[in-house]
Amino acid sequence: RKEVEQDPGPFNVPEGATVAFNCTYSNSASQSFFWYRQDCRKEPKLLMSVYSSGNEDGRFTAQLNRASQYISLLIRDSKLSDSATYLCVSGTGTASKLTFGTGTRLQVTL
Amino acid sequence: NAGVTQTPKFQVLKTGQSMTLQCAQDMNHEYMSWYRQDPGMGLRLIHYSVGAGITDQGEVPNGYNVSRSTTEDFPLRLLSAAPSQTSVYFCASSSGGGGSYEQYFGPGTRLTVT
Repeated sequence: RKEVEQDPGPFNVPEGATVAFNCTYSNSASQSFFWYRQDCRKEPKLLMSVYSSGNEDGRFTAQLNRASQYISLLIRDSKLSDSATYLCVSGTGTASKLTFGTGTRLQVTL
Repeated sequence: NAGVTQTPKFQVLKTGQSMTLQCAQDMNHEYMSWYRQDPGMGLRLIHYSVGAGITDQGEVPNGYNVSRSTTEDFPLRLLSAAPSQTSVYFCASSSGGGGSYEQYFGPGTRLTVT
């Protein structure tokens, strides 16, 4: 079983739609969580950190449920420019050791 | 600030050849890491460093060596290339550890081993 699991998609949604991605992690020692965005043939870039209390950044909302070991990302009012792969990431221990999910691909269409 | 730079962008090697992938950062970050990304596998940690002179193995270290003689540079050496090492390699740096700090990634090196 992968340590961080995501639905690979693709999620095809029309512009303006709301879309939600889910992610589960198996390592109960994981301490930090992130969503990274990766455009086609580009490097990953941090989208947002995920906190137990939930956090919001504009159209993006991230939630963490430690009891269920579950992380979510909600994108409201999808834009064409949101088309990308979204990577769920957990961090444990020291030295920036991160575990990446395989990513969920989003395609926003007109 | 150039951020994290990697060279080369593309490389084709024959089985058994060796080469070094270069990575440099100009943000004075202590932490640097090498990942490989393969379809369906996600990014996997190869080696990482918490500062000059200190390196450690990640999830998939076999066939790779690293060294960290300066804060800025973290080269990855392939000792004897194998087709299984065909992948996209990303170098990353961050200002702190504990998995709590943003990782800044370089643009990647696309390596093909024939």
